Amino acid sequence: DSGVTQTPKHLITATGQRVTLRCSPRSGDLSVYWYQQSLDQGLQFLIQYYNGEERAKGNILERFSAQQFPDLHSELNLSSLELGDSALYFCASSVGPGETQYFGPGTRLLVL
Amino acid sequence: AQSVTQPDIHITVSEGASLELRCNYSYGATPYLFWYVQSPGQGLQLLLKYFSGDTLVQGIKGFEAEFKRSQSSFNLRKPSVHWSDAAEYFCAARGAGNQFYFGTGTSLTVIP
Repeated sequence: DSGVTQTPKHLITATGQRVTLRCSPRSGDLSVYWYQQSLDQGLQFLIQYYNGEERAKGNILERFSAQQFPDLHSELNLSSLELGDSALYFCASSVGPGETQYFGPGTRLLVL
Repeated sequence: AQSVTQPDIHITVSEGASLELRCNYSYGATPYLFWYVQSPGQGLQLLLKYFSGDTLVQGIKGFEAEFKRSQSSFNLRKPSVHWSDAAEYFCAARGAGNQFYFGTGTSLTVIP
Protein backbone atom coordinates (compact mmCIF):
# COMPACT_ATOMS: atom_id res chain seq x y z
CA ASP A 1 0.00 0.00 0.00
CA SER A 2 1.59 3.24 -1.20
CA GLY A 3 -0.57 5.50 0.93
CA VAL A 4 -2.08 7.17 -2.11
CA THR A 5 -5.80 6.61 -2.44
CA GLN A 6 -7.96 7.01 -5.52
CA THR A 7 -11.71 6.89 -5.91
CA PRO A 8 -13.63 5.42 -7.52
CA LYS A 9 -11.87 2.20 -8.46
CA HIS A 10 -14.05 1.66 -11.47
CA LEU A 11 -16.23 3.99 -13.49
CA ILE A 12 -18.48 3.22 -16.40
CA THR A 13 -20.10 6.06 -18.26
CA ALA A 14 -21.37 7.06 -21.68
CA THR A 15 -19.86 9.21 -24.39
CA GLY A 16 -20.41 12.91 -23.90
CA GLN A 17 -20.60 12.63 -20.13
CA ARG A 18 -18.39 14.21 -17.49
CA VAL A 19 -16.67 12.45 -14.61
CA THR A 20 -14.49 13.42 -11.68
CA LEU A 21 -11.67 11.29 -10.37
CA ARG A 22 -10.35 11.89 -6.90
CA CYS A 23 -6.92 11.40 -5.40
CA SER A 24 -5.62 11.75 -1.86
CA PRO A 25 -1.83 11.92 -1.63
CA ARG A 26 0.34 10.29 0.98
CA SER A 27 0.49 12.11 4.26
CA GLY A 28 3.08 14.87 3.98
CA ASP A 29 3.29 14.85 0.19
CA LEU A 30 2.66 18.20 -1.46
CA SER A 31 2.95 17.18 -5.10
CA VAL A 32 0.32 15.31 -7.05
CA TYR A 33 0.64 13.91 -10.54
CA TRP A 34 -1.95 12.47 -12.91
CA TYR A 35 -1.24 9.85 -15.54
CA GLN A 36 -3.31 8.08 -18.16
CA GLN A 37 -2.47 4.50 -19.08
CA SER A 38 -4.01 2.94 -22.14
CA LEU A 39 -3.07 -0.11 -24.14
CA ASP A 40 -1.97 1.81 -27.21
CA GLN A 41 -0.41 4.88 -25.56
CA GLY A 42 1.33 3.45 -22.53
CA LEU A 43 1.75 5.63 -19.45
CA GLN A 44 1.20 9.27 -20.32
CA PHE A 45 1.88 12.13 -17.95
CA LEU A 46 -1.05 14.51 -17.78
CA ILE A 47 -0.45 17.18 -15.18
CA GLN A 48 1.37 17.97 -11.94
CA TYR A 49 0.43 20.10 -8.96
CA TYR A 50 2.47 21.30 -6.06
CA ASN A 51 0.83 22.72 -2.96
CA GLY A 52 -2.24 23.78 -4.89
CA GLU A 53 -0.52 25.24 -7.92
CA GLU A 54 -0.09 23.75 -11.35
CA ARG A 55 3.57 22.93 -11.94
CA ALA A 56 3.79 21.02 -15.19
CA LYS A 57 1.55 19.97 -18.03
CA GLY A 58 1.95 16.96 -20.21
CA ASN A 59 -0.32 15.44 -22.81
CA ILE A 60 -3.53 16.65 -21.24
CA LEU A 61 -6.48 17.33 -23.51
CA GLU A 62 -8.42 20.56 -23.27
CA ARG A 63 -11.48 18.52 -22.28
CA PHE A 64 -9.59 17.48 -19.16
CA SER A 65 -8.85 19.67 -16.19
CA ALA A 66 -7.52 19.18 -12.71
CA GLN A 67 -7.00 21.00 -9.48
CA GLN A 68 -5.41 20.50 -6.11
CA PHE A 69 -7.31 21.70 -3.09
CA PRO A 70 -6.03 23.30 0.13
CA ASP A 71 -6.19 19.94 1.89
CA LEU A 72 -3.91 18.68 -0.93
CA HIS A 73 -6.31 16.20 -2.43
CA SER A 74 -6.70 16.48 -6.17
CA GLU A 75 -9.45 15.96 -8.68
CA LEU A 76 -9.19 15.20 -12.37
CA ASN A 77 -12.22 16.24 -14.38
CA LEU A 78 -12.86 14.61 -17.71
CA SER A 79 -15.62 16.06 -19.87
CA SER A 80 -17.24 15.37 -23.24
CA LEU A 81 -15.97 11.86 -22.88
CA GLU A 82 -15.07 9.83 -25.94
CA LEU A 83 -14.57 6.11 -26.37
CA GLY A 84 -10.84 6.69 -26.60
CA ASP A 85 -10.77 8.12 -23.09
CA SER A 86 -11.28 4.64 -21.70
CA ALA A 87 -8.13 3.95 -19.73
CA LEU A 88 -6.58 3.56 -16.32
CA TYR A 89 -6.00 6.88 -14.63
CA PHE A 90 -3.30 6.96 -12.01
CA CYS A 91 -2.51 9.52 -9.41
CA ALA A 92 0.92 9.71 -7.83
CA SER A 93 2.27 11.88 -5.06
CA SER A 94 5.67 12.98 -3.86
CA VAL A 95 7.10 15.16 -1.15
CA GLY A 96 8.01 17.79 -3.66
CA PRO A 97 8.47 18.31 -7.38
CA GLY A 98 10.86 15.80 -8.85
CA GLU A 99 11.00 13.61 -5.79
CA THR A 100 10.16 9.92 -5.83
CA GLN A 101 6.58 9.34 -6.90
CA TYR A 102 4.29 6.89 -5.17
CA PHE A 103 1.34 5.67 -7.18
CA GLY A 104 -2.24 5.03 -6.24
CA PRO A 105 -4.14 1.92 -7.37
CA GLY A 106 -5.76 3.77 -10.25
CA THR A 107 -9.28 4.40 -11.51
CA ARG A 108 -10.40 2.29 -14.42
CA LEU A 109 -12.64 4.34 -16.69
CA LEU A 110 -14.78 2.72 -19.33
CA VAL A 111 -16.62 4.94 -21.77
CA LEU A 112 -19.40 3.19 -23.68
CA ALA B 1 14.29 15.64 -26.39
CA GLN B 2 14.41 13.75 -23.15
CA SER B 3 13.14 10.20 -23.29
CA VAL B 4 13.35 6.77 -21.77
CA THR B 5 13.59 3.69 -23.95
CA GLN B 6 12.88 0.14 -22.98
CA PRO B 7 13.93 -1.88 -26.03
CA ASP B 8 12.24 -5.11 -24.99
CA ILE B 9 8.46 -5.11 -25.16
CA HIS B 10 8.16 -8.61 -23.79
CA ILE B 11 10.58 -11.04 -22.13
CA THR B 12 10.05 -14.65 -21.10
CA VAL B 13 12.31 -16.36 -18.59
CA SER B 14 12.21 -19.64 -16.73
CA GLU B 15 11.69 -19.60 -13.01
CA GLY B 16 15.06 -19.58 -11.29
CA ALA B 17 16.84 -18.05 -14.25
CA SER B 18 18.51 -14.66 -14.14
CA LEU B 19 16.84 -11.57 -15.51
CA GLU B 20 18.01 -8.34 -17.06
CA LEU B 21 15.63 -5.65 -18.29
CA ARG B 22 17.12 -2.90 -20.36
CA CYS B 23 16.56 0.81 -20.01
CA ASN B 24 18.23 3.67 -21.82
CA TYR B 25 17.68 7.34 -21.18
CA SER B 26 18.30 10.42 -23.21
CA TYR B 27 19.27 13.41 -21.11
CA GLY B 28 22.28 15.70 -21.01
CA ALA B 29 22.92 15.57 -17.31
CA THR B 30 22.60 12.60 -14.99
CA PRO B 31 18.93 12.17 -14.33
CA TYR B 32 17.26 10.62 -11.37
CA LEU B 33 16.35 7.10 -12.44
CA PHE B 34 13.65 4.75 -11.25
CA TRP B 35 12.27 1.29 -11.82
CA TYR B 36 8.64 0.54 -11.09
CA VAL B 37 6.70 -2.72 -11.28
CA GLN B 38 3.03 -3.04 -12.11
CA SER B 39 1.09 -6.22 -11.46
CA PRO B 40 -2.10 -6.75 -13.47
CA GLY B 41 -4.83 -4.36 -12.40
CA GLN B 42 -2.55 -2.71 -9.85
CA GLY B 43 -0.77 0.58 -9.51
CA LEU B 44 2.95 1.08 -10.00
CA GLN B 45 5.19 0.08 -7.13
CA LEU B 46 8.65 1.57 -6.74
CA LEU B 47 11.39 -1.07 -6.96
CA LEU B 48 14.44 1.12 -6.66
CA LYS B 49 15.89 4.50 -7.54
CA TYR B 50 19.20 6.10 -8.34
CA PHE B 51 20.02 9.69 -7.53
CA SER B 52 23.78 9.74 -7.14
CA GLY B 53 26.66 7.85 -5.53
CA ASP B 54 27.14 4.11 -5.86
CA THR B 55 26.08 3.14 -9.36
CA LEU B 56 24.76 -0.23 -8.23
CA VAL B 57 21.54 0.20 -6.31
CA GLN B 58 19.60 -2.40 -4.44
CA GLY B 59 15.84 -2.49 -4.38
CA ILE B 60 13.01 -4.48 -2.99
CA LYS B 61 12.17 -8.07 -3.91
CA GLY B 62 15.80 -8.90 -4.67
CA PHE B 63 16.13 -6.52 -7.60
CA GLU B 64 19.14 -4.38 -8.36
CA ALA B 65 20.01 -1.91 -11.10
CA GLU B 66 23.25 -0.49 -12.37
CA PHE B 67 23.70 3.02 -13.71
CA LYS B 68 26.19 3.23 -16.55
CA ARG B 69 26.79 6.79 -17.64
CA SER B 70 28.87 5.79 -20.66
CA GLN B 71 25.98 3.75 -22.02
CA SER B 72 23.17 5.98 -20.75
CA SER B 73 21.67 2.86 -19.28
CA PHE B 74 20.01 1.78 -16.08
CA ASN B 75 19.35 -1.93 -16.46
CA LEU B 76 17.36 -3.88 -13.93
CA ARG B 77 18.62 -7.28 -12.80
CA LYS B 78 17.60 -10.17 -10.62
CA PRO B 79 19.76 -13.27 -10.15
CA SER B 80 16.88 -15.73 -9.77
CA VAL B 81 13.37 -14.99 -10.96
CA HIS B 82 10.30 -16.17 -9.09
CA TRP B 83 6.91 -16.82 -10.65
CA SER B 84 5.53 -13.89 -8.67
CA ASP B 85 7.85 -11.53 -10.56
CA ALA B 86 5.65 -11.81 -13.64
CA ALA B 87 4.47 -8.24 -14.22
CA GLU B 88 5.04 -5.11 -16.27
CA TYR B 89 8.22 -3.19 -15.51
CA PHE B 90 8.66 0.50 -16.16
CA CYS B 91 11.83 2.51 -16.20
CA ALA B 92 11.50 6.24 -15.52
CA ALA B 93 13.74 9.25 -15.43
CA ARG B 94 13.39 12.69 -13.93
CA GLY B 95 14.72 15.26 -16.31
CA ALA B 96 14.76 19.00 -16.62
CA GLY B 97 11.99 20.92 -14.94
CA ASN B 98 11.30 17.96 -12.68
CA GLN B 99 9.44 16.27 -15.51
CA PHE B 100 9.15 12.52 -15.32
CA TYR B 101 9.54 10.37 -18.40
CA PHE B 102 8.43 6.76 -18.44
CA GLY B 103 9.44 4.02 -20.80
CA THR B 104 6.81 2.01 -22.59
CA GLY B 105 7.30 -0.92 -20.27
CA THR B 106 8.58 -4.48 -20.51
CA SER B 107 6.18 -7.30 -19.87
CA LEU B 108 7.79 -10.21 -18.04
CA THR B 109 6.46 -13.75 -18.29
CA VAL B 110 7.89 -16.41 -16.01
CA ILE B 111 7.53 -20.03 -17.07
CA PRO B 112 7.79 -22.89 -14.59
